[in-house]
Amino acid sequence: EVQLVQSGAEVKKPGESLKISCKGSGYSFTSYWIGWVRQMPGKGLEWMGIIYPGDSDTRYSPSFQGQVTISADKSISTAYLQWSSLKASDTAMYYCARPSGHGWYHAFDIWGQGTMVTVSS
Amino acid sequence: DIQMTQSPSSLSASVGDRVTITCQASQDISNYLNWYQQKPGKAPKLLIYDASNLETGVPSRFSGSGSGTDFTFTISSLQPEDFATYYCQQYDNLPPSFGQGTKLEI
Repeated sequence: EVQLVQSGAEVKKPGESLKISCKGSGYSFTSYWIGWVRQMPGKGLEWMGIIYPGDSDTRYSPSFQGQVTISADKSISTAYLQWSSLKASDTAMYYCARPSGHGWYHAFDIWGQGTMVTVSS
Repeated sequence: DIQMTQSPSSLSASVGDRVTITCQASQDISNYLNWYQQKPGKAPKLLIYDASNLETGVPSRFSGSGSGTDFTFTISSLQPEDFATYYCQQYDNLPPSFGQGTKLEI
């Protein structure tokens, strides 16, 4: 079964760093892009960026460029989303998702369960 | 960035109703449009890709149409499990932006 399993919920303070993960299984991890999508409480979906684990080619939305870092470790089939200094406005649910085809542009047909990040003093 | 405008933002309907949601792109995106369903506390689910193609396993009461800048998503006969929020998403250009969502309520 193709699946993405994300790390658990996090509660952090402003200014702290954080790295959340997304582990792929049931498919060739290096052959498909993995993207990240933010959903702030009660709000819609926002595409953050996407990485190709095969060569670490990464594309960011301008809204998130410089605010987060997307990476991947193909040896353990895991993609990451990290912050160096969290803000209260980073409080959101974060989903990883895999496109249905080998290009970044395909629809996301496989989704992780989501990781809730809460940033509060 | 390409802006995607969905309407309506919310919609009240009843079981058995035919429901239509529209999505308008700020520029021509050909047929590079997807539709997702999201239920509370759950990850989104892909329903329609390339504007009109039904994802495997999705009931045929769901359909999509359109090209260029104007797109339509239709549920032909609402079922109780269809009450959710629906999003369109373009993928003609990076970033692949989503519409703001349409909440379908009883």
